[in-house]
Amino acid sequence: RKEVEQDPGPFNVPEGATVAFNCTYSNSASQSFFWYRQDCRKEPKLLMSVYSSGNEDGRFTAQLNRASQYISLLIRDSKLSDSATYLCVVTLNTGGFKTIFGAGTRLFVKA
Amino acid sequence: DAEITQSPRHKITETGRQVTLACHQTWNHNNMFWYRQDLGHGLRLIHYSYGVQDTNKGEVSDGYSVSRSNTEDLPLTLESAASSQTSVYFCASSDNGQPNTGELFFGEGSRLTVL
Repeated sequence: RKEVEQDPGPFNVPEGATVAFNCTYSNSASQSFFWYRQDCRKEPKLLMSVYSSGNEDGRFTAQLNRASQYISLLIRDSKLSDSATYLCVVTLNTGGFKTIFGAGTRLFVKA
Repeated sequence: DAEITQSPRHKITETGRQVTLACHQTWNHNNMFWYRQDLGHGLRLIHYSYGVQDTNKGEVSDGYSVSRSNTEDLPLTLESAASSQTSVYFCASSDNGQPNTGELFFGEGSRLTVL
């Protein structure tokens, strides 16, 4: 089982749609959680951190469920510019800090 | 503006050759990392450094080496390139009190093809 698992998609949605991505992680000792965005042939960039209380940044909402060991990202009112791959990232301390990336979920937003 | 740059951006080489990918950051970050990204896999850590003269192996370090002689640079060397090392390589840096728990800043990537 992969340490961080994501549905690879692709998710094809029309502009204005709401889309949600889930990510599960296997190590209960995971400490920090993030969503990164990666455009085609570009480098990953931090989209948002994920906190236990949930957090929102404009049209983006991230949730963490420690009991079920999953993280979600909700995008409301999708824009064409949201088309990208979304990477779920988890860090844990196993005697040394380790950052684990999911393989990513691809999103295509169409006009 | 501070940045992180990689070179070359694209390289084609032959099996058995030594290849070095450069990474230079002007953030003055202590922590630097090399990842490779392949289809179907997340970014996988090759080597990392928490400061000058410090280097550590990641999960896929075989066939790779790094050195950290100053804060700004972490070159990645493939001692004898193999076709399995064809990949996109990303350098990243971060600077916070607890390494690897904060934001990673990535370079634009180096696409390496080994024939």
